[in-house]
Amino acid sequence: EADIYQTPRYLVIGTGKKITLECSQTMGHDKMYWYQQDPGMELHLIHYSYGVNSTEKGDLSSESTVSRIRTEHFPLTLESARPSHTSQYLCASSEWDTQYFGPGTRLTVL
Amino acid sequence: KQEVTQIPAALSVPEGENLVLNCSFTDSAIYNLQWFRQDPGKGLTSLLLIQSSQREQTSGRLNASLDKSSGRSTLYIAASQPGDSATYLCAVGMYSGGGADGLTFGKGTHLIIQP
Repeated sequence: EADIYQTPRYLVIGTGKKITLECSQTMGHDKMYWYQQDPGMELHLIHYSYGVNSTEKGDLSSESTVSRIRTEHFPLTLESARPSHTSQYLCASSEWDTQYFGPGTRLTVL
Repeated sequence: KQEVTQIPAALSVPEGENLVLNCSFTDSAIYNLQWFRQDPGKGLTSLLLIQSSQREQTSGRLNASLDKSSGRSTLYIAASQPGDSATYLCAVGMYSGGGADGLTFGKGTHLIIQP
């Protein structure tokens, strides 16, 4: 079973602030993913990575950006947070096909 | 564009019953299908993964089947327990050169098992 960590777990922040959501995994998985989930709705893929220096946009358009400088680390950044960014953000990783998820970050932008 | 639908949206049953959760998808050219459970305040826990070439997978009281040609999967839970209460998510992966990219999820079935 993969160990995958996300910080912070909860974040309440004002409009216009820059934020970075952290995601780390200790299993050495090459593939990592970010999903966004609004309350009562399905998860949508917003970013993924096949490995170091690889990043791709997912199915759902997002104003966030990601980077993959180290295998274990896949942070997501919002340069200027807005209320429309309020959501839950879930990070996942996989070695082959099974995806393992972190606990998520619940973001509220006031 | 792949779309995943789960029926029912919510289900409440007494403890001990066997139950079936349904999942359908619009594009049958899938790479794999995965069932998860999601508990409040927690991330997703992978339950079962079925490759496109497989018909079913079993883990304990859980059995998942896949009918790729008809675009359907079912999750069977035997002898349900209150600890099974959670939201169950179905997700499909499409093939790319590096295996599956991200998953496409359904909205889930919110399951309550009454003691």
